[in-house]
Amino acid sequence: DIQMTQSPSSVSASVGDRVTITCRASQGVSSWLAWYQQKPGKAPRLLIYAASSLQRGVPSRFSGRGSGTDFTLTINSLQPEDFATYYCQQTKSFPFTFGPGTKVDIK
Amino acid sequence: EVLLVESGGGLVQPGGSLRLSCAASGFTFRSYDMHWVRQVPGKGLEWVSGIGVGGDTYYAASVKGRFTVSREDAKDSMYLQINSLTVGDTAIYYCARNEPGNYEALDVWGQGTLVTVSS
Repeated sequence: DIQMTQSPSSVSASVGDRVTITCRASQGVSSWLAWYQQKPGKAPRLLIYAASSLQRGVPSRFSGRGSGTDFTLTINSLQPEDFATYYCQQTKSFPFTFGPGTKVDIK
Repeated sequence: EVLLVESGGGLVQPGGSLRLSCAASGFTFRSYDMHWVRQVPGKGLEWVSGIGVGGDTYYAASVKGRFTVSREDAKDSMYLQINSLTVGDTAIYYCARNEPGNYEALDVWGQGTLVTVSS
């Protein structure tokens, strides 16, 4: 199975800050990498697919980069509605493993 | 409106069984691969199972042999039969679809159904 790690596990930031979250796969997944946002009590929401493609309806302040084993999700100019937990997921091979999550909270 | 609605969760004793359902609407269900993802309250996401448009099935190692995923395209529905439940299966179970051509990412999710395993 492909193992996914994320760093940091949590980050405190202020409105307007730029936040970058890192995701690493235990083996290469090419661009088969997605990012999700989850708020308490809600289902996850797809933000980025194919490592860098923005899902329809997602604000352009979200961006993804990377290929192979190392990926990043960047949130430019953090907004109040962006405080949430973010997960990466590899979809290169089954089982489609998720990272452990990164919680972005208010400084 | 594209919608997924899970049902069938509840309180069950260890060793028991449940059948979860996922009802789809607003899209051509038979054209989409579908998945189950679970989450222990307050913890991270765990991919559980997937089923392709042709009926091919996939499972996480932690559930293989105990969980069975199926789909009934005529009813726009997917199911997850869960047997030999343990306390460790307590979680919110989400169904999700992946849109063809988007690298298998899960673009629509249901609201989840809670399964509680306890004596």
